[in-house]
Amino acid sequence: DAKTTQPPSMDCAEGRAANLPCNHSTISGNEYVYWYRQIHSQGPQYIIHGLKNNETNEMASLIITEDRKSSTLILPHATLRDTAVYYCIVKYGGYQKVTFGTGTKLQVIP
Amino acid sequence: DAMVIQNPRYQVTQFGKPVTLSCSQTLNHNVMYWYQQKSSQAPKLLFHYYDKDFNNEADTPDNFQSRRPNTSFCFLDIRSPGLGDAAMYLCATSRGGGGNTEAFFGQGTRLTVV
Repeated sequence: DAKTTQPPSMDCAEGRAANLPCNHSTISGNEYVYWYRQIHSQGPQYIIHGLKNNETNEMASLIITEDRKSSTLILPHATLRDTAVYYCIVKYGGYQKVTFGTGTKLQVIP
Repeated sequence: DAMVIQNPRYQVTQFGKPVTLSCSQTLNHNVMYWYQQKSSQAPKLLFHYYDKDFNNEADTPDNFQSRRPNTSFCFLDIRSPGLGDAAMYLCATSRGGGGNTEAFFGQGTRLTVV
């Protein structure tokens, strides 16, 4: 699986958009970008995934650059409950184990 | 409704005394994973099952074993827990095959070794 690089921590004001970047410059053509988050003392939770096109669901939006070497997870209106560690993971579609990198610790500030 | 259930949420065991953690799922997923997560670290994959096929990670110590008696249940056995095995243990499931295979995680079992 391709490696990912994320900033170790970020702050975001409550109600503002949180933009979490991820670099995956060695991604191959068949690999997807997945995002998970882990709220303190809970199991990780799937957020969103994409291959080439931008994706949006009820939780977040995922913007993937045209060359697919980086992506941004956007939480449009961050709340205090969004404080968590966010993991960007690159893996092939289908059955493939989820391997976590170091993630970004997002702190939403009142 | 809980889909991946881990019991117990908290487990205290004695140094060297075998302990078993359990995981059950209601999703009928082919794949079940066990992860170890130590404080302030990312989850680390120990092993996983695809149906009955067991897949061990290269760096998983022999002290850790697993059993999957049926689709719904998977167990993590720690034969001789050491102080360094104190951690959160996470179980996850996913579909096999193609397409989106997001993983569903349980709430974890926090293991303390005394």
